[in-house]
Amino acid sequence: EVQLLESGGGLVQPGGSLRLSCAASGFTFSSYAMSWVRQAPGKGLEWVSTISNSGGSIYYADSVKGRFTLSRDNSKNTLYLQMNSLRAEDSAVYYCVPASGTNWGQGTLVTVSS
Amino acid sequence: DVVMTQSPLSLPVTLGQPASISCRSSQSLVHSDGNTYLNWFRQRPGQSPRRLIYEVSNRDSGVPDRFSGSGSGTDFTLKISRVEAEDVGVYYCMQGTHWPRWTFGQGTKVEIK
Repeated sequence: EVQLLESGGGLVQPGGSLRLSCAASGFTFSSYAMSWVRQAPGKGLEWVSTISNSGGSIYYADSVKGRFTLSRDNSKNTLYLQMNSLRAEDSAVYYCVPASGTNWGQGTLVTVSS
Repeated sequence: DVVMTQSPLSLPVTLGQPASISCRSSQSLVHSDGNTYLNWFRQRPGQSPRRLIYEVSNRDSGVPDRFSGSGSGTDFTLKISRVEAEDVGVYYCMQGTHWPRWTFGQGTKVEIK
């Protein structure tokens, strides 16, 4: 069974940093590109970033480019999202999603507020 | 980026009656490999999204056959032949053709009248 367990969310002040993790199991993690998708409270879904299966190619939405860094450790089946210079508009539930889009975790809530 | 536009944004339906959601894209979703990567998701209240339909018309495992997807190019539709109470939620279309920049529709809230 595919499982995606996001963690690392929490309350942070504007300008602060957080590191999200996504522990994957039940599939060959190293074979799949992985993405982060976020959902602000009461809003729709927004693609944030994608990393190729090897980690050699990384893509970001314009809204997070230069502030967020996506990485992965295929030996640990884990995806990471380092979020710096956080803004109020980054407040959302963050989901990690394999390239197929088939499986979503429960997400981790990030709240940026003073 | 490709813009996905859904309509309606709110859809009150009577149990047992059909429902239909439209999704239009600002660019063709036909990939260079010939496939069309248009997906439909449902998000029930308090839950994560779940994919229902992939590549326009293919139901995911466990999805009832009352759900069907159709369309081509830039114009797509999700239909529920007979709405049941468990179908309540927000439905999103999503394009994966212009990978890696997935884009989603605004969402359509389906509720029971």
